[in-house]
Amino acid sequence: AQKITQTQPGMFVQEKEAVTLDCTYDTSDPSYGLFWYKQPSSGEMIFLIYQGSYDQQNATEGRYSLNFQKARKSANLVISASQLGDSAMYFCAMRGLTGANNLFFGTGTRLTVIP
Amino acid sequence: KAGVTQTPRYLIKTRGQQVTLSCSPISGHRSVSWYQQTPGQGLQFLFEYFSETQRNKGNFPGRFSGRQFSNSRSEMNVSTLELGDSALYLCASSLEGHRNTGELFFGEGSRLTVL
Repeated sequence: AQKITQTQPGMFVQEKEAVTLDCTYDTSDPSYGLFWYKQPSSGEMIFLIYQGSYDQQNATEGRYSLNFQKARKSANLVISASQLGDSAMYFCAMRGLTGANNLFFGTGTRLTVIP
Repeated sequence: KAGVTQTPRYLIKTRGQQVTLSCSPISGHRSVSWYQQTPGQGLQFLFEYFSETQRNKGNFPGRFSGRQFSNSRSEMNVSTLELGDSALYLCASSLEGHRNTGELFFGEGSRLTVL
């Protein structure tokens, strides 16, 4: 079975500062993918970043980077230079071998950026 | 390039009725998957369609069904609505549904309220 755990229900960060959102996972699949999505109040899930389990380097997309520690089964999202528009729910998700597009989601972290 | 389009965005139904939700994937995407999001259960996978065939199914009762058309557009249907079916229903599309790529994009969702 696959499981995603996000232990931070809410986080606050000062504008222009960096913030790390935690995500740990559990899976028996040898090959898997890890995702981070942002969900503003409008409801749309916005794809941020993806890390494959066999990728040698940590994924980066602009201000987003994924701190992937395979041995610890963690995939933390780092947002640098936070902006007011970053205030939203953030979900970590995993896709395993068993289903091509069957994502397992964590419970999410609500990030609030303070001016 | 147009994103994933879901219709209707909002709808209200009463218990016992049925509802059909529509999803138009990104042009060229052949895989469409559906998710239910509720405050209590979070984000849960419903099913996935690829080339008009259901490829994967989550743990939902048979009242939840779907289909995909030859142009990759997908519909999901919920029959005999219950209060607990009130949720945001999200559709996601991807190019080929390859399990190890990161290209999975969501629409803005259809928010269903059951009275």
